[in-house]
Amino acid sequence: EAGVAQSPRYKIIEKRQSVAFWCNPISGHATLYWYQQILGQGPKLLIQFQNNGVVDDSQLPKDRFSAERLKGVDSTLKIQPAKLEDSAVYLCASSLDMGHGYTFGSGTRLTVV
Amino acid sequence: DAKTTQPTSMDCAEGRAANLPCNHSTISGNEYVYWYRQIHSQGPQYIIHGLKNNETNEMASLIITEDRKSSTLILPHATLRDTAVYYCIVRGGGSNYKLTFGKGTLLTVNP
Repeated sequence: EAGVAQSPRYKIIEKRQSVAFWCNPISGHATLYWYQQILGQGPKLLIQFQNNGVVDDSQLPKDRFSAERLKGVDSTLKIQPAKLEDSAVYLCASSLDMGHGYTFGSGTRLTVV
Repeated sequence: DAKTTQPTSMDCAEGRAANLPCNHSTISGNEYVYWYRQIHSQGPQYIIHGLKNNETNEMASLIITEDRKSSTLILPHATLRDTAVYYCIVRGGGSNYKLTFGKGTLLTVNP
C-alpha cells in the first residue's frame, strides 16, 4: 500500500511570507493529523481531522496557522505570516480511524530566515 | 494522557539485545502503551503496542510489568539501522485517541 505523501520535502522562506504544505493520506484512512516537530523535540500535534471535520485543533496557533481537508482526503496546512520560530519539520499522519495505528509521512522541513 | 519517562540516550553493541525502559506510573486501566521510533530525517514508525500482556512481533518485544507502571521495549538483535529515537507513548482509550510524543530515547547502535 502506498504511504502518506507529503510535499514539498524542503522549503525555505523569509519571515512574514506565507507557505503551504500538502498531504495525501493512505487511501481509505478517515483520520488525518498534522504534527510540528522542532529540532530536538518530539512531534507536537497541531490538528486532527476525522473525514473533513476538525476533531482537535487546540494546539494550532490560529492567528497564523490554518488547515483544511476538503472532501475528506487531501489536506493542506498553511502558515501566514511565518515567524522564525515556525522553523520545524511538519509531519502528516493518517490512520484508518480514531484508535488505530498511525502511518507518518516523511515530513516537510521548513526553514524561516 | 499519562506522562512517560525515558532515558535521554542509550548505547548498544551491534548484534546484542537493546532494552529500552519506560516509566508510566500514572497510567490508567484503559490506556495502552505504544512504541514508535524515528530514524533521522524520517517520520515516526510504529513498532508495537500493548495493554497488559507482553507482546511480540517481527520487530520487537514489549514487556509490561504486572502493575503496568513501567515497560521495556526489546530489540533482540540490534543492527546499525536500529539507531533512532524511540518514543514510549501512553495512549488514552475512549474518545482520547491522540498520540502525544515526549522527547524519547536516542538509541545508538555501535559496530
